[in-house]
Amino acid sequence: QKEVEQDPGPLSVPEGAIVSLNCTYSNSAFQYFMWYRQYSRKGPELLMYTYSSGNKEDGRFTAQVDKSSKYISLFIRDSQPSDSATYLCATGRLGGSQGNLIFGKGTKLSVKP
Amino acid sequence: DSGVTQTPKHLITATGQRVTLRCSPRSGDLSVYWYQQSLDQGLQFLIQYYNGEERAKGNILERFSAQQFPDLHSELNLSSLELGDSALYFCASGDNGYTFGSGTRLTVV
Repeated sequence: QKEVEQDPGPLSVPEGAIVSLNCTYSNSAFQYFMWYRQYSRKGPELLMYTYSSGNKEDGRFTAQVDKSSKYISLFIRDSQPSDSATYLCATGRLGGSQGNLIFGKGTKLSVKP
Repeated sequence: DSGVTQTPKHLITATGQRVTLRCSPRSGDLSVYWYQQSLDQGLQFLIQYYNGEERAKGNILERFSAQQFPDLHSELNLSSLELGDSALYFCASGDNGYTFGSGTRLTVV
């Protein structure tokens, strides 16, 4: 079983739709959960970062973590064509000088005008 | 601009050659991480340095090596290059939530 699994898509939605992106992870010791957005041929950009179960909201983006089922989600409300990108979930144990993130393979999202 | 600088942006080289990729972390960040991204494997962690010392190692081949210098910039050395080494190589810095550079696209021909 891979440590982080993510449906690669592609996912195509109309502008204004609510988008749901999901990942599962296998290691219950993982403490931190992140979502990155990556535009084509660019570096990943940190969108959301949380370390607890529950929801975290930032504008149109909501990250949700359920540690009991090892499930993480990203919701995008009122999706825009500019949201078209690949979304990567990441998790791991961080803190100070040690640790590294494990990334999902990414879900490619296309928002059609 | 993320604050993490990677050079060069593009590199084309022949099989068997050796290349060096360079990364300058964000100001104040002591940790540097190197990742390889290919179409089929996604982002794969290679190695981490913290304040000049190696701290964690991932799926890094023996033909690859890295180091972090006193000024905190880091270099990733790739030798005896093979066609399969063609990928995007990213550097990231930070301890809680990584900031990525724009990457080096390596093409081995």
